[in-house]
Amino acid sequence: GAVVSQHPSWVICKSGTSVKIECRSLDFQATTMFWYRQFPKQSLMLMATSNEGSKATYEQGVEKDKFLINHASLTLSTLTVTSAHPEDSSFYICSATTHGRFSEQYFGPGTRLTVT
Amino acid sequence: GQQLNQSPQSMFIQEGEDVSMNCTSSSIFNTWLWYKQDPGEGPVLLIALYKAGELTSNGRLTAQFGITRKDSFLNISASIPSDVGIYFCAGQGGGATNKLIFGTGTLLAVQP
Repeated sequence: GAVVSQHPSWVICKSGTSVKIECRSLDFQATTMFWYRQFPKQSLMLMATSNEGSKATYEQGVEKDKFLINHASLTLSTLTVTSAHPEDSSFYICSATTHGRFSEQYFGPGTRLTVT
Repeated sequence: GQQLNQSPQSMFIQEGEDVSMNCTSSSIFNTWLWYKQDPGEGPVLLIALYKAGELTSNGRLTAQFGITRKDSFLNISASIPSDVGIYFCAGQGGGATNKLIFGTGTLLAVQP
């Protein structure tokens, strides 16, 4: 149980285009989903927190107009990288959790984005 | 963004050796977690600690939640080749957000 999927697993796009990444909780309802970015040989950095039906909360330094997050249902959140540039190339990982103080975050397998 | 200090940065050991890594923070956390990440994959939870002073084991892994709530360590006993990967600690503040702050990571290489 508690499986989180991401699609696509990897994507290559041209500079200036937009890319959408999906995060799905397959066997549970996720009241909260998190989006992380991980550059090569670095740690996971939280980008934003999204709660179903409400606007995402972005971490300091993350441009909300560039990284659009939609959490329209309890099983799906999407991250759209708008007007992507080579410096946006990274490993994007989502996690999902249910309510509760000790709720575990279940991580997806990640999406490798390469912007050329 | 905020990160936790994790040490050592990397370790190269022989199969069968024991391993120890730790994580420190300037902030207090309500929960400490340890994850393992294989290349090109998401992190997988190894151990979760919910109480200051708590010592928890999961097979060959043992982790402790520091009394000050600002640190934690992870020990791996009798390492095997499949232990290879990057280990991350993470602190969770609790409350409504469940936000995780990750450590800088420890790369573990195990030579057969």
